[in-house]
Amino acid sequence: DAKTTQPNSMESNEEEPVHLPCNHSTISGTDYIHWYRQLPSQGPEYVIHGLTSNVNNRMASLAIAEDRKSSTLILHRATLRDAAVYYCILRDDGSNFGNEKLTFGTGTRLTIIP
Amino acid sequence: DSGVTQTPKHLITATGQRVTLRCSPRSGDLSVYWYQQSLDQGLQFLIQYYNGEERAKGNILERFSAQQFPDLHSELNLSSLELGDSALYFCASSVASGYLQETQYFGPGTRLLVL
Repeated sequence: DAKTTQPNSMESNEEEPVHLPCNHSTISGTDYIHWYRQLPSQGPEYVIHGLTSNVNNRMASLAIAEDRKSSTLILHRATLRDAAVYYCILRDDGSNFGNEKLTFGTGTRLTIIP
Repeated sequence: DSGVTQTPKHLITATGQRVTLRCSPRSGDLSVYWYQQSLDQGLQFLIQYYNGEERAKGNILERFSAQQFPDLHSELNLSSLELGDSALYFCASSVASGYLQETQYFGPGTRLLVL
C-alpha cells in the first residue's frame, strides 16, 4: 500500500484558515486521497476525498498537487470544534471488492487556540 | 450522530475472560467493519463483513472472531483476553454499493479494559 506522511501536530488560531499537509510520494494512478478526522472521544468521521482535481464541500477543501505526490486539507475558518486528529488515507480504486478497508497512519493532531 | 450504534460503551473484565461487542450499522448499510485503536498500534482494521459473509480480514488475532447476522448487526467476540487487548474497538458501516471510494461511518466505539 502507498504510504502517507503527515506532521504529528499543528496549532492554529481560532477563526483562521488551517492548511494540513500530507505527502504521498508513492501514490499510484488509481489511488484516491481521503481525509477522515477523529474528534476527542469519538469515532473517525469522513471529511473529504479526491483524485486529481481540487474538491470543496461544506466541511473543507482538498487541494491536490499537480503531480499528486502531496495534498493539503484546508479548513477555511477553524473553530474550537475542529480540534481533532486528521488522517490522510489513500484508497486504491483499482483493486477488487474486499479491499475497502481504511488504512490509518498516525495523523496530525490539530490544536485550535482560542 | 453517524447512525452506527455500539454497545456496550465501556467494558471492564479480567484476563482470560471472553466478551462480546455489538454493532448495529446504519439503516441500509450492508458492510460492517471492525477496527481496533490502541495507544501503541493506532487504528487498525480487523475484519469486514458484507451481507452476512466475511469479506476481508486484517490484523485480527485467532482469539477474536466476528459474525454478521441476517438483520445485519454484527458482533465481535474476544476470548482468552490479555492485558494488551485493552483498546477502543470501533465498528463502521458502508452501503457497499460497489463504489470503492464510498464513505465509512463509524460508531462511538467500545472501550475495553482488561485487568
